[in-house]
Amino acid sequence: AQKVTQAQTEISVVEKEDVTLDCVYETRDTTYYLFWYKQPPSGELVFLIRRNSFDEQNEISGRYSWNFQKSTSSFNFTITASQVVDSAVYFCALSGPFGNEKLTFGTGTRLTIIP
Amino acid sequence: DGGITQSPKYLFRKEGQNVTLSCEQNLNHDAMYWYRQDPGQGLRLIYYSQIVNDFQKGDIAEGYSVSREKKESFPLTVTSAQKNPTAFYLCASSSLAGEEDTQYFGPGTRLTVL
Repeated sequence: AQKVTQAQTEISVVEKEDVTLDCVYETRDTTYYLFWYKQPPSGELVFLIRRNSFDEQNEISGRYSWNFQKSTSSFNFTITASQVVDSAVYFCALSGPFGNEKLTFGTGTRLTIIP
Repeated sequence: DGGITQSPKYLFRKEGQNVTLSCEQNLNHDAMYWYRQDPGQGLRLIYYSQIVNDFQKGDIAEGYSVSREKKESFPLTVTSAQKNPTAFYLCASSSLAGEEDTQYFGPGTRLTVL
């Protein structure tokens, strides 16, 4: 069975601080995919990143970066120099070897950026 | 513009009534999905379909039904058998294109049972 744990329910930081959102996963598949989605107050889930289990390189996209560590089954997400627009609920998700099956979601982390 | 539309945005239903949520996509995606989100929880899969006229149950299919008569459309019916239907419902689609496949989501429908 697959499982995703986001232990941080809510985080608040002051604008311009860096913040890391944790994601720990469990799966028996040797090939799998990991995702991060952002859910702003409007409710729509916005896709941020997809990562194949064979690719452990860290990824950076502007102020966003992701640290994938297979050894600890973690896929953490860091926002550098946070902005008020980053306030949202962030979900980590896991799928099986084909990447397009059911997504198993964590319970989400609500991030509030204080101006 | 390509995307996924869901309607209505807000829906109110009396107990004992069936209600149908609409989901349409113009991305030419093969697969479509319905998820349910409850406060403070992640999304849970209700049904999914990878081809027209075929669909599979997800983790919480009881009390729901779907149809896939057209590639672009995947309506979800919440029946009176669903014991706790008040939730936020999200539809998603994906291309089944292998390496780059990703599920993209619509804006959601918030259903409240009165």
